[in-house]
Amino acid sequence: GAVVSQHPSRVICKSGTSVKIECRSLDFQATTMFWYRQFPKQSLMLMATSNEGSKATYEQGVEKDKFLINHASLTLSTLTVTSAHPEDSSFYICSARDLAGGWADTQYFGPGTRLTVL
Amino acid sequence: DAKTTQPPSMDCAEGRAANLPCNHSTISGNEYVYWYRQIHSQGPQYIIHGLKNNETNEMASLIITEDRKSSTLILPHATLRDTAVYYCIVRVFSGGYNKLIFGAGTRLAVHP
Repeated sequence: GAVVSQHPSRVICKSGTSVKIECRSLDFQATTMFWYRQFPKQSLMLMATSNEGSKATYEQGVEKDKFLINHASLTLSTLTVTSAHPEDSSFYICSARDLAGGWADTQYFGPGTRLTVL
Repeated sequence: DAKTTQPPSMDCAEGRAANLPCNHSTISGNEYVYWYRQIHSQGPQYIIHGLKNNETNEMASLIITEDRKSSTLILPHATLRDTAVYYCIVRVFSGGYNKLIFGAGTRLAVHP
């Protein structure tokens, strides 16, 4: 149980285009999902918190108009990187919070999406 | 900022126990300690979490000191597949949500 999927796993795009990444919780409901970014040889950096039915909240320094997040259902959140540039190339990872755990809820992570902007 | 400190790297022989330490001296009374690991180019994998008591599951054991300022993750019989970066995380409540703020982690190398 507690499987999170991401699509696509890998994407290459031209500078200036927009890219959408999907994050799905496959066997549980998640009112809250999180988006992280990871550059080579670095740790994960939390970008934003996605809440079903409401606007996402962004961490300090993350441009909300650059990284559009939509959490349309209890099992799906999407991250759109708008007008991507080479510096946006990174490994994007989502996680979903399993409500069933109560206060000690656990986040389960997707496999990640590697974005390369040419 | 992450509230944990871990050694950057450790080695372990295959079949032996791997003991990964973590310091979290500023942890608050209701903050949980979580452990995840990340194998190269994959998403982090949940291992275990705890609040005050020691915990054990099929993957590992978590030993939390009585003052909760440090903890140790124990992999009882390490295998080559346990080679990964291990993250000790204190879950914080911020902006209305429980969040995981990752530190640098410990790179564990299991060798034959």
